[in-house]
Amino acid sequence: DARVTQTPRHKVTEMGQEVTMRCQPILGHNTVFWYRQTMMQGLELLAYFRNRAPLDDSGMPKDRFSAEMPDATLATLKIQPSEPRDSAVYFCASGLVGGTTSEQFFGPGTRLTVL
Amino acid sequence: DAKTTQPPSMDCAEGRAANLPCNHSTISGNEYVYWYRQIHSQGPQYIIHGLKNNETNEMASLIITEDRKSSTLILPHATLRDTAVYYCIVYSNTGKLIFGQGTTLQVKP
Repeated sequence: DARVTQTPRHKVTEMGQEVTMRCQPILGHNTVFWYRQTMMQGLELLAYFRNRAPLDDSGMPKDRFSAEMPDATLATLKIQPSEPRDSAVYFCASGLVGGTTSEQFFGPGTRLTVL
Repeated sequence: DAKTTQPPSMDCAEGRAANLPCNHSTISGNEYVYWYRQIHSQGPQYIIHGLKNNETNEMASLIITEDRKSSTLILPHATLRDTAVYYCIVYSNTGKLIFGQGTTLQVKP
């Protein structure tokens, strides 16, 4: 049963530290998404890639966040430096997106706490 | 993408049908209606999508009105495990899904 995996599942860090979250998309999917979920803002799209190329990162704070896809099996989301307001659950999703189809499969999320 | 309006919360008795409404009065002709749900502490899960015809799969049915300005997700026999937040999303072929606040469905024994 193919699934999106994310590591770590939980991360507690101090303000100013670098945080790297990793995602392994489902093999064969052409699009990878990063979302952030908080109680206040709900589920927000941060960035997404199509065939490993960044398509849209307009939802991401550019000064501290960066997203990359070094190969087809790994997507990373990095925060440097981290701040308490970055505390949230970060979800990665992948899908075979094209035309009218956008069925996305979500990972279990990384729960980030920045002290 | 067109915005959607959903009631913030609903209750349903276990074993009964759960009918979750969604308004999308500004939907365009080429935009699809997608439904996802999020069970507590998990990532969202795809349920179903449709353009203008009614759709059914093993999880649910989707009824879209003829003018396409609203739709209803039907869970025919709700169970306690269907307690979740249900998101109705209007999708154009940008690849992006924009999640709103959704409807919190509480299935009660």
